[in-house]
Amino acid sequence: QKEVEQNSGPLSVPEGAIASLNCTYSDRGSQSFFWYRQYSGKSPELIMFIYSNGDKEDGRFTAQLNKASQYVSLLIRDSQPSDSATYLCAVFWDTGRRALTFGSGTRLQVQP
Amino acid sequence: EPEVTQTPSHQVTQMGQEVILRCVPISNHLYFYWYRQILGQKVEFLVSFYNNEISEKSEIFDDQFSVERPDGSNFTLKIRSTKLEDSAMYFCASSLRTGKNIQYFGAGTRLSVL
Repeated sequence: QKEVEQNSGPLSVPEGAIASLNCTYSDRGSQSFFWYRQYSGKSPELIMFIYSNGDKEDGRFTAQLNKASQYVSLLIRDSQPSDSATYLCAVFWDTGRRALTFGSGTRLQVQP
Repeated sequence: EPEVTQTPSHQVTQMGQEVILRCVPISNHLYFYWYRQILGQKVEFLVSFYNNEISEKSEIFDDQFSVERPDGSNFTLKIRSTKLEDSAMYFCASSLRTGKNIQYFGAGTRLSVL
């Protein structure tokens, strides 16, 4: 059974700080990793994707992947109150079920 | 910017009734998905669809569920006889390819079964 685990939070950070969100996953098979942001009552919105070990930066967001340790993280620099949302980690395994498996999400609160 | 469109945004139905949720995927995308999210829970995969047939389905997708692409643009999810536990947000997603390809989500349909 392929699982994706996230701390449900809430993670509370002050405005302007760095928010660090973590995700671990089972099964070392070949995968792709996605971070989605979900505001309450809304649909998942893609923030970042990462396929290879290392860091990938896009504006204020950095995704970090460590396949040996089976974790992927999302860093949000200069956090803004508008970043307050639930962040969903999703994994697509290339074997077995070929669909996104989501974590339960981490709720981020950015305090003004 | 192209987007996945879902209708209706909210559907209220009585237990035992049939509902059809509609989706218009992004026009050049080839893979289509339905996911659901019960309030306060994870987003869960229901079914994937490619080349006019189901590619995969989860344990949730039992005989009460069916999907169809009735024309070149629409992708529908039918629930034959709704149960209280079918109440959830239903999201349609599409991607250009499978695997390392981004799935774009529609705004969702909130299904309330009374």
